[in-house]
Amino acid sequence: AQSVTQPDIHITVSEGASLELRCNYSYGATPYLFWYVQSPGQGLQLLLKYFSGDTLVQGIKGFEAEFKRSQSSFNLRKPSVHWSDAAEYFCAVGATTDSWGKLQFGAGTQVVVTP
Amino acid sequence: DARVTQTPRHKVTEMGQEVTMRCQPILGHNTVFWYRQTMMQGLELLAYFRNRAPLDDSGMPKDRFSAEMPDATLATLKIQPSEPRDSAVYFCASGTAGSGGLVYNSPLHFGNGTRLTVT
Repeated sequence: AQSVTQPDIHITVSEGASLELRCNYSYGATPYLFWYVQSPGQGLQLLLKYFSGDTLVQGIKGFEAEFKRSQSSFNLRKPSVHWSDAAEYFCAVGATTDSWGKLQFGAGTQVVVTP
Repeated sequence: DARVTQTPRHKVTEMGQEVTMRCQPILGHNTVFWYRQTMMQGLELLAYFRNRAPLDDSGMPKDRFSAEMPDATLATLKIQPSEPRDSAVYFCASGTAGSGGLVYNSPLHFGNGTRLTVT
């Protein structure tokens, strides 16, 4: 079964600074990888996804993520954060053998943006 | 924008009471998921449906939880009797999967959740 680890529970970043959120997965092959964002009181919203091909994927809100097979990682980045980026971010993995769309979510990383 | 609608947004109830949470998936979506979010466990998959048929509910405590889709526009999650440890935010998400299509191509759309507090 697949699993995903987000090593950082909480990150504080200054507005305008760069942001990188870590995600490591465990799966026997290359899984489907996703990043979701959750604002307070809201459901999750898809930021970006990786299935195959180019290992650098672009998402919404200026985010990008890079798949590194050798490190089993799928880290999320943003060059310059805005106060509105304060939220909780979830990495998720889906098994390529699964046709039903089940996702295994990481524990999440809470991002705080300071002025 | 089409969205997944969950009701109620908040529910406070006493232990032993029945709780019913409702979800209206996006029209045309044929896959519905129920997730539970807690501080300790994070996001856990409880059950999911394809074309209204339950595919997997192994994540649910069977003795007290039940999930159904009476029709394509309504999914319900019921807890009877409720316990304090059921306190959590329950999310419904819907997506689409065409015949032979890759379901992951369609992003999951999440509702805003039902925050359940059992005292």
